[in-house]
Amino acid sequence: DARVTQTPRHKVTEMGQEVTMRCQPILGHNTVFWYRQTMMQGLELLAYFRNRAPLDDSGMPKDRFSAEMPDATLATLKIQPSEPRDSAVYFCASGSSGTPYNEQFFGPGTRLTVL
Amino acid sequence: RKEVEQDPGPFNVPEGATVAFNCTYSNSASQSFFWYRQDCRKEPKLLMSVYSSGNEDGRFTAQLNRASQYISLLIRDSKLSDSATYLCVVNGWTGNQFYFGTGTSLTVIP
Repeated sequence: DARVTQTPRHKVTEMGQEVTMRCQPILGHNTVFWYRQTMMQGLELLAYFRNRAPLDDSGMPKDRFSAEMPDATLATLKIQPSEPRDSAVYFCASGSSGTPYNEQFFGPGTRLTVL
Repeated sequence: RKEVEQDPGPFNVPEGATVAFNCTYSNSASQSFFWYRQDCRKEPKLLMSVYSSGNEDGRFTAQLNRASQYISLLIRDSKLSDSATYLCVVNGWTGNQFYFGTGTSLTVIP
């Protein structure tokens, strides 16, 4: 049963600390998305990769957030320094750009709390 | 104006009822359309892709109306397990952007 995995599932940290979240996309998928979900804002797209290349990171605060794909099996989202307003659930999703409808499949998310 | 708009609800319906959700999108060049289901504190899960001709999967029927720029989801014979938030998703005109609605909350009551 192929699925997207994310680590850690929960993270509590103090303001100013670095946070790194990891995602393993479904094997064979070539698109990866990072989303943030809060009660107030709903789901927001932070970054989008295709074939490991960043195509769109316009939704991401550039001063503190960075997203990378060191290889096809790992995507990372880093926040440095973290702030309380970053508290949210961060989802990774993967898909295949070769499919007609480009469905995305989500990981279980990382629930981040910044104190 | 938001790219995708949904009625947040909540919709509270009795078991066995039929319920329908609509979602409107702003850009006529949008390419792909989906319904996702999200349970409390869980990730969104793909429920259905919405095909131009409409499609049905068991008790669920999805329709696309390009002229009026909306998609719909119909749930027949509602079950308690259908209680969730239903997210409308539109793949944008560039192919890169995916726009999520804020979700419609459904509670099916015994």
